[in-house]
Amino acid sequence: AQSVSQHNHHVILSEAASLELGCNYSYGGTVNLFWYVQYPGQHLQLLLKYFSGDPLVKGIKGFEAEFIKSKFSFNLRKPSVQWSDTAEYFCAVNNNQGGKLIFGQGTELSVKP
Amino acid sequence: DTGVSQDPRHKITKRGQNVTFRCDPISEHNRLYWYRQTLGQGPEFLTYFQNEAQLEKSRLLSDRFSAERPKGSFSTLEIQRTEQGDSAMYLCASSLSLAGASTDTQYFGPGTRLTVL
Repeated sequence: AQSVSQHNHHVILSEAASLELGCNYSYGGTVNLFWYVQYPGQHLQLLLKYFSGDPLVKGIKGFEAEFIKSKFSFNLRKPSVQWSDTAEYFCAVNNNQGGKLIFGQGTELSVKP
Repeated sequence: DTGVSQDPRHKITKRGQNVTFRCDPISEHNRLYWYRQTLGQGPEFLTYFQNEAQLEKSRLLSDRFSAERPKGSFSTLEIQRTEQGDSAMYLCASSLSLAGASTDTQYFGPGTRLTVL
């Protein structure tokens, strides 16, 4: 079955700490991978995406993610978080024809000032 | 603002009533998706269209749910005989899918929050 697993449900960090959010997927074939973010009171926004090529992708606001095919993983990283990064983060996957996204259950990130 | 828009933003209804939601995609996007999100969960796929054609519908979607995109632009999602379990955020997304390419990115609207009493 197609699925996405996000290991951490709630992460609490202090400002300037480094962040890594785990994402593993179970999906046959070639995949596209995404991280979306939902800030409080706002709608889902795209952080970054991987379609092909360099497995290290950079997104907005200093976020990056690395696709490791052998581990079926697409972890999100940021070297130094800010209070404004407080949000819920969703990992998602679809196949290389596009179409429906399969989402993880989300990770709530709280950054203490 | 030229993003995805949804109407209404909030809907409160009584069990057994019918409700209809509207989604206007980003102009010229040919794909339109509907998802449902409940508290503490990621969005769950319901159905999607390419132009007017409904290409896929989730097996989890009961016969009470129907979606249309008659002119390939806006879409409506109707829920008949609502149940308390239908209470959720209903999200719409759109993307531009080009022939031979697999790189369409979905952009989400603000959602319609449905509460069934």
